[in-house]
Amino acid sequence: SQQGEEDPQALSIQEGENATMNCSYKTSINNLQWYRQNSGRGLVHLILIRSNEREKHSGRLRVTLDTSKKSSSLLITASRAADTASYFCATDADRGSTLGRLYFGRGTQLTVWP
Amino acid sequence: DAGVIQSPRHEVTEMGQEVTLRCKPISGHDYLFWYRQTMMRGLELLIYFNNNVPIDDSGMPEDRFSAKMPNASFSTLKIQPSEPRDSAVYFCASSLNEKLFFGSGTQLSVL
Repeated sequence: SQQGEEDPQALSIQEGENATMNCSYKTSINNLQWYRQNSGRGLVHLILIRSNEREKHSGRLRVTLDTSKKSSSLLITASRAADTASYFCATDADRGSTLGRLYFGRGTQLTVWP
Repeated sequence: DAGVIQSPRHEVTEMGQEVTLRCKPISGHDYLFWYRQTMMRGLELLIYFNNNVPIDDSGMPEDRFSAKMPNASFSTLKIQPSEPRDSAVYFCASSLNEKLFFGSGTQLSVL
């Protein structure tokens, strides 16, 4: 299966600390995306990194991609209680098309304590 | 823009009843996706449309599930007859490029 897998399943930290979540996938991709889901809500897109990119930043988010290891990491710096949510990675299939089926992992549940 | 709008927000029904979930995508988006989320199976893609045409329905669990997109601003997912194992949160998402915008979901409980 192309489905990404996040690690760890759950992460609990204090406000101000950094949170790192990892994602591994199985086949070649065009891009990898990270989404956040607050309890009882839909997923919200955070960041997209393309297969020819190695690192991308957006505010307190830093995403890396290692296509040789088929893995990605999401780093949230200086975490806040409001960052408490589930975080999912999503990969496409490298079929030469720009949009199609996205495969989501099971997610990492991040809890940030005040 | 109001984002992707799904209705109802919650649905409780009895086994054997027909259930219809509704979705209004973001105006101008030409892709629409139906996902199902459960603790056991995570987030599963059921079907997706491009310009109102179903492209991939391989994720639809069985013939009890059907989806339509009669126009660019409306889609339905129907389950007939419903079963307890259909209980889940059903999400609709729309897209213009690789980035997906999700609705708030419909929490379906089949008793």
